[in-house]
Amino acid sequence: AQSVSQHNHHVILSEAASLELGCNYSYGGTVNLFWYVQYPGQHLQLLLKYFSGDPLVKGIKGFEAEFIKSKFSFNLRKPSVQWSDTAEYFCAVRASNYQLIWGAGTKLIIKP
Amino acid sequence: GAVVSQHPSRVICKSGTSVKIECRSLDFQATTMFWYRQFPKQSLMLMATSNEGSKATYEQGVEKDKFLINHASLTLSTLTVTSAHPEDSSFYICSVGDRGDQETQYFGPGTRLLVL
Repeated sequence: AQSVSQHNHHVILSEAASLELGCNYSYGGTVNLFWYVQYPGQHLQLLLKYFSGDPLVKGIKGFEAEFIKSKFSFNLRKPSVQWSDTAEYFCAVRASNYQLIWGAGTKLIIKP
Repeated sequence: GAVVSQHPSRVICKSGTSVKIECRSLDFQATTMFWYRQFPKQSLMLMATSNEGSKATYEQGVEKDKFLINHASLTLSTLTVTSAHPEDSSFYICSVGDRGDQETQYFGPGTRLLVL
């Protein structure tokens, strides 16, 4: 069965630290990959997505993600986090059946 | 992106009653809407895909008679939890598929249901 794994349920960082959130999926075919973010008290919103082309995708607010096909990974990165990045981050994968499979989410807390 | 609203944001009901949750696409016509359920510390679980003017497509394990979905217009889909029980308490979220890019979804703020 297809699945999406986010390695860390909780991450705590200080401001200006670098961030990398892991996301691995299990599906051998063509996939579309997404990172969504949910800020406290707000609804889910798209951070970035990968469909094809350059495997390094840049999203909003300085976030980027790299698709590494051989590792079935789509890790989210930001070189220097801010307090306002405190949120929950969800990785999602769409396979050929068009169903979106979600990871369990990673709660990121940035200490000011 | 699309703006999606849900109503109510929170609802508390007695066991055995039915609860209706509305999902509205405020700024574009959505032929497809999705209903998710989220349990604490777990990922979103797709319950059903709501198609305007036709029957919803339910995911395996989701009771269609329990969770009634109506997508009567291009801007409104409703989810009715019938004869609610405490185990139905959860966070219900709807999303709409981008008309031009069906692979990106825009989410509503969610509805927290508590069944006593």
